[in-house]
Amino acid sequence: GNSVTQMEGPVTLSEEAFLTINCTYTATGYPSLFWYVQYPGEGLQLLLKATKADDKGSNKGFEATYRKETTSFHLEKGSVQVSDSAVYFCALSAYGNNRLAFGKGNQVVVIP
Amino acid sequence: GAVVSQHPSRVICKSGTSVKIECRSLDFQATTMFWYRQFPKQSLMLMATSNEGSKATYEQGVEKDKFLINHASLTLSTLTVTSAHPEDSSFYICSARDQSTGELFFGEGSRLTVL
Repeated sequence: GNSVTQMEGPVTLSEEAFLTINCTYTATGYPSLFWYVQYPGEGLQLLLKATKADDKGSNKGFEATYRKETTSFHLEKGSVQVSDSAVYFCALSAYGNNRLAFGKGNQVVVIP
Repeated sequence: GAVVSQHPSRVICKSGTSVKIECRSLDFQATTMFWYRQFPKQSLMLMATSNEGSKATYEQGVEKDKFLINHASLTLSTLTVTSAHPEDSSFYICSARDQSTGELFFGEGSRLTVL
């Protein structure tokens, strides 16, 4: 079946540090890949997406590249801010109908 | 501002009672809404797809008689947890697809605690 695996555990880092959150997936066919962010007290928001291999999604300084050969969609940001503190979810949609399979999420805490 | 609103955000109930959670799209129409359940430190698990004017489609292993879904209008879907038990305690999240753009928006979630 379709599934998404995110790296274990919360991520704590200092302001202006480089952030990477790993995401790998298992899917039939050619899924679309997403990163969602959930700020405290709010619903999930789409951060970025990629719909085919080698596509790069980007938004708010975050980037992720759809790597079919490694079935990965790692999230990166070169210089994080305190306001980036949130939970980040990797997700995929295998049928283009918004039925999403999510990873467990990673809590990111950025310390001033 | 929020475009999908869930209510209540938190609810505590006694075992054996039923609880209704509402999911509203505030400024768009949604023929399709989705209900997810999230356990602590776990991923969101899709429970069912709610279709306006027709029966919901449940994922494998989700009891349809336990989790009643009603999508009676283009802006409202409700999830009723019937005869709730402590193991139903969880965080329930809905999402709604804007029928004009196809974009998906999520609610803030509703935390259910069954005593």
